[in-house]
Amino acid sequence: SQTIHQWPATLVQPVGSPLSLECTVEGTSNPNLYWYRQAAGRGLQLLFYSVGIGQISSEVPQNLSASRPQDRQFILSSKKLLLSDSGFYLCACRPGLYNSPLHFGNGTRLTVT
Amino acid sequence: QKEVEQDPGPLSVPEGAIVSLNCTYSNSAFQYFMWYRQYSRKGPELLMYTYSSGNKEDGRFTAQVDKSSKYISLFIRDSQPSDSATYLCAMSAGAQKLVFGQGTRLTINP
Repeated sequence: SQTIHQWPATLVQPVGSPLSLECTVEGTSNPNLYWYRQAAGRGLQLLFYSVGIGQISSEVPQNLSASRPQDRQFILSSKKLLLSDSGFYLCACRPGLYNSPLHFGNGTRLTVT
Repeated sequence: QKEVEQDPGPLSVPEGAIVSLNCTYSNSAFQYFMWYRQYSRKGPELLMYTYSSGNKEDGRFTAQVDKSSKYISLFIRDSQPSDSATYLCAMSAGAQKLVFGQGTRLTINP
């Protein structure tokens, strides 16, 4: 089964600073990868997903971008953070089979001050 | 109307009680159904994964799908304090993206 690594677990950044969150996956090849954001008391919001290296689909236009430089690496970035970027960011993986469930990492809690 | 509706709770029950968590949906194309458990400050953990109508049991957990009513349930028997968490339902129509419910916050009181 796959293992999803996310770091850091917690991050406090000032407004206007850049952001880079990394996610790596073990135990599967050619996975579909996802970035979700979960605001306090709210559901999961899909931000980006990728079906392969260099292929990124954006779900919500915003201050963030994503990249997939390697098959099992997914990066979430921002050039200048906004207060509204605070939240719990989750990386998720879905093995190549289209009907397989999603598996999540343990997330990064980002606070923008 | 949201595609997936889930009562956010919070729901508080005594230890040992049977818990029923529910989601309704509007998209008849959904055919894969999942329940996730999320502890505070952790990522969601897959609990149950079902396809088509019927019941699926795993230990103290039973997932039920009623496609005719567009209704899914998760039952927890002999609930334990360690079951205290937020429970999320999710569903998809195959290759399409998962749609999540808002999550139900559950507390089991010793």
